[in-house]
Amino acid sequence: GAVVSQHPSRVICKSGTSVKIECRSLDFQATTMFWYRQFPKQSLMLMATSNEGSKATYEQGVEKDKFLINHASLTLSTLTVTSAHPEDSSFYICSARDQRKSNEKLFFGSGTQLSVL
Amino acid sequence: SQQGEEDPQALSIQEGENATMNCSYKTSINNLQWYRQNSGRGLVHLILIRSNEREKHSGRLRVTLDTSKKSSSLLITASRAADTASYFCATLKDQGGKLIFGQGTELSVKP
Repeated sequence: GAVVSQHPSRVICKSGTSVKIECRSLDFQATTMFWYRQFPKQSLMLMATSNEGSKATYEQGVEKDKFLINHASLTLSTLTVTSAHPEDSSFYICSARDQRKSNEKLFFGSGTQLSVL
Repeated sequence: SQQGEEDPQALSIQEGENATMNCSYKTSINNLQWYRQNSGRGLVHLILIRSNEREKHSGRLRVTLDTSKKSSSLLITASRAADTASYFCATLKDQGGKLIFGQGTELSVKP
């Protein structure tokens, strides 16, 4: 099946720094990728839709200047948490759909645990 | 806001028993999907059931869908310790392909 690679798996940073998370589709092209955020014991909250070659679309309540998304190629989307603060500590997961196939399931990266001190 | 609500929130059973998880959703759907998440990991797609289907099987998994009640259930038969994980239902938010997840059920299977 399709593989989505996400790096890094874990980041610990100081408050005020920026953190970049990469999401790659390894064996397929993805014009669209999705970024989710998950707090402990909770469900996944959709943050934004990353569109190759155009601006990302953000869900209501998600600050686009805080969470910068770049989808520069058909296999790579990046999420940058700018000026991170402790409240940004969370588990971030990316996903993509293999558009070669007709089904609608998503393939997920393994997630990035961000801890802001 | 989340599309689906699931119950129970947590379920603890013995190996060999069956586990049933339920999901309710709010809007009309084309399909409903179930995913599994091991602790601290990404999600893995388990099964998709379309709105014109009432039941679907995949190995030890059985999914039902009742569109009149806007609900679905996931049954895992003959559970194993390795089935310990969180299980989420998900539906499409709109034509943009966005998946919205339910609250999830945390399943613990004790050996």
